[in-house]
Amino acid sequence: GQNIDQPTEMTATEGAIVQINCTYQTSGFNGLFWYQQHAGEAPTFLSYNVLDGLEEKGRFSSFLSRSKGYSYLLLKELQMKDSASYLCAVRDGDYKLSFGAGTTVTVRA
Amino acid sequence: NAGVTQTPKFQVLKTGQSMTLQCAQDMNHEYMSWYRQDPGMGLRLIHYSVGAGITDQGEVPNGYNVSRSTTEDFPLRLLSAAPSQTSVYFCASSYSGVSGANVLTFGAGSRLTVL
Repeated sequence: GQNIDQPTEMTATEGAIVQINCTYQTSGFNGLFWYQQHAGEAPTFLSYNVLDGLEEKGRFSSFLSRSKGYSYLLLKELQMKDSASYLCAVRDGDYKLSFGAGTTVTVRA
Repeated sequence: NAGVTQTPKFQVLKTGQSMTLQCAQDMNHEYMSWYRQDPGMGLRLIHYSVGAGITDQGEVPNGYNVSRSTTEDFPLRLLSAAPSQTSVYFCASSYSGVSGANVLTFGAGSRLTVL
């Protein structure tokens, strides 16, 4: 089976940095994804890691350690529009994605 | 490009009724899937398809049927609706293959309430 854990909620101040951790235990591994989901909307793709290390995309970075079954999403220079749920997902074979329950990030002024 | 189109956006059913959620994509994606999203539980895979004529079960398939007669369409059928099927349903598609990101693109979602 799949077990993907991430914190339920996080709160941070506008302009700050927040790190969302994700740990996983899956039957296979073929990539880890982060999605952003605003309330009432569909998830949208943020980042993809398949090899160990850091991937940077503007204000967002994602890190992967396959040996530890661990990833994090780093959000820098937080803006109010970053208030959303952040979903960690693991592809364990050719196609299927298994998702964690999501982390709701609230950005306060 | 329309991307992934789901209909209807909202639906209220009575227990025991049947209905079909429609999903269509215009990106020539081989892989299509249906998820349900419930509070505190994340997205759970119901059924998926890797091409026309091929479907398979995901994590929570009971009470749902799918078919894939064309590359573009992947309807989800509720055979006899139950209150436990009250949820938000997302259709998602991607290219398939073992290499590359093959990012899942989601439809806008269908909110279903079963009374």
